[in-house]
Amino acid sequence: DTGVSQDPRHKITKRGQNVTFRCDPISEHNRLYWYRQTLGQGPEFLTYFQNEAQLEKSRLLSDRFSAERPKGSFSTLEIQRTEQGDSAMYLCASSSGRYNSPLHFGNGTRLTVT
Amino acid sequence: KNEVEQSPQNLTAQEGEFITINCSYSVGISALHWLQQHPGGGIVSLFMLSSGKKKHGRLIATINIQEKHSSLHITASHPRDSAVYICAVPHSGGGADGLTFGKGTHLIIQP
Repeated sequence: DTGVSQDPRHKITKRGQNVTFRCDPISEHNRLYWYRQTLGQGPEFLTYFQNEAQLEKSRLLSDRFSAERPKGSFSTLEIQRTEQGDSAMYLCASSSGRYNSPLHFGNGTRLTVT
Repeated sequence: KNEVEQSPQNLTAQEGEFITINCSYSVGISALHWLQQHPGGGIVSLFMLSSGKKKHGRLIATINIQEKHSSLHITASHPRDSAVYICAVPHSGGGADGLTFGKGTHLIIQP
């Protein structure tokens, strides 16, 4: 068990560019969550997957954001036409999906939009 | 939707002091999470509890379901305890939902 891994750790991009982040959950975990965290704030829920099905999206996830988990394993989060307000830490977490199972977090991808 | 309030937002204490961080939430829940976040972003789950009290080393977490309140205590605090401590509860109270997080308590323990 290598834990939840996220790639890249840091991403600097210019406004208007598209970016894609990857999350590899713990292998037997069927639930995968994406959160966004800005400086001084707690993480905010973006979306989550049960296997390959995207079950819930937050209103934070505008139409510029899309997430996929095509085979129920790794997931990608894409932001199109990035804006400076998208600068944040993007966190991925996974769980087994059993009732009250704990979340395991990755180290996050820090996005800076210039 | 569950609302989470943590206090204090910032706490500076001397090494050895007993630390208490509080968390209140608005919707009845199946379990509450206490998480620790160090500079650089990594989040570690400390406790998940649904009733009573849990202890792990110098950390103690308690929850009062009726009052919708939880506390995290650190005994004999040490500078390595300096971190942000975050309380989180399920969105709508259920056990497998995404979580709603508090804003965190930024703890600094001075030697």
